[in-house]
Amino acid sequence: EVQLVESGGGVVQPGGSLRLSCAASGFTFGDYTMHWVRQTPGKGLEWISLITSDGDSSFYADSVKGRCITSRDNSRNSLFLNIDSLRTEDTALYYCVKDREPRYTDYEFDSWGQGTLVIVSS
Amino acid sequence: DLQMTQSPPSLSASVGDRVTIFCRASQSISEHLNWYQQTSGKAPKLLIYDASTLQSGVPSRFSGSGSGTDFSLTISSLQLEDFATYYCQQSYISPYTFGQGTKLEIK
Repeated sequence: EVQLVESGGGVVQPGGSLRLSCAASGFTFGDYTMHWVRQTPGKGLEWISLITSDGDSSFYADSVKGRCITSRDNSRNSLFLNIDSLRTEDTALYYCVKDREPRYTDYEFDSWGQGTLVIVSS
Repeated sequence: DLQMTQSPPSLSASVGDRVTIFCRASQSISEHLNWYQQTSGKAPKLLIYDASTLQSGVPSRFSGSGSGTDFSLTISSLQLEDFATYYCQQSYISPYTFGQGTKLEIK
């Protein structure tokens, strides 16, 4: 069974930084592109980044570009999201999400973690 | 960004009803359209990908159709566990945007 468990959320002041982690199990992690998707009551679901299976390429939504770095450690079945210069509008539930197809990026999100909550507030 | 517009925003129905939810893209996305179900307090679950392909393990009462800009999700006979919020998402071009959701409630 696929399991994705996020951690690292919390309360942080505007301008601060955070590192989110996702521990993956139940599948061959190194075969899949992974994504981060966030959710807020106001803006709904928002895709924010992906990293290819080999970790060589990553892509970002404009809302986080230049402030976020997604990385992975395939030897430890782990995904990471570093966010700098946090803004109040980054307050959201952050999901670690698995792409559906192995060794290919189809942008179809077939497994989700339970999410980790980030609150940006002074 | 490519905009995804769902209708209606909310819908009341009864167990056993047939319901259809719509999603419109602001430009053609071929069949790169996916549907998700989110129940209260849980993460979204992939129901349908590529507009009409049922994800493994999803009951056959769910079906999807459409191409280009107009898509629909139909539940043929509502069950209690289907009362949830449904989202469409385009997988055609970055950023991979979602609709705002359709909340399906018990009448």
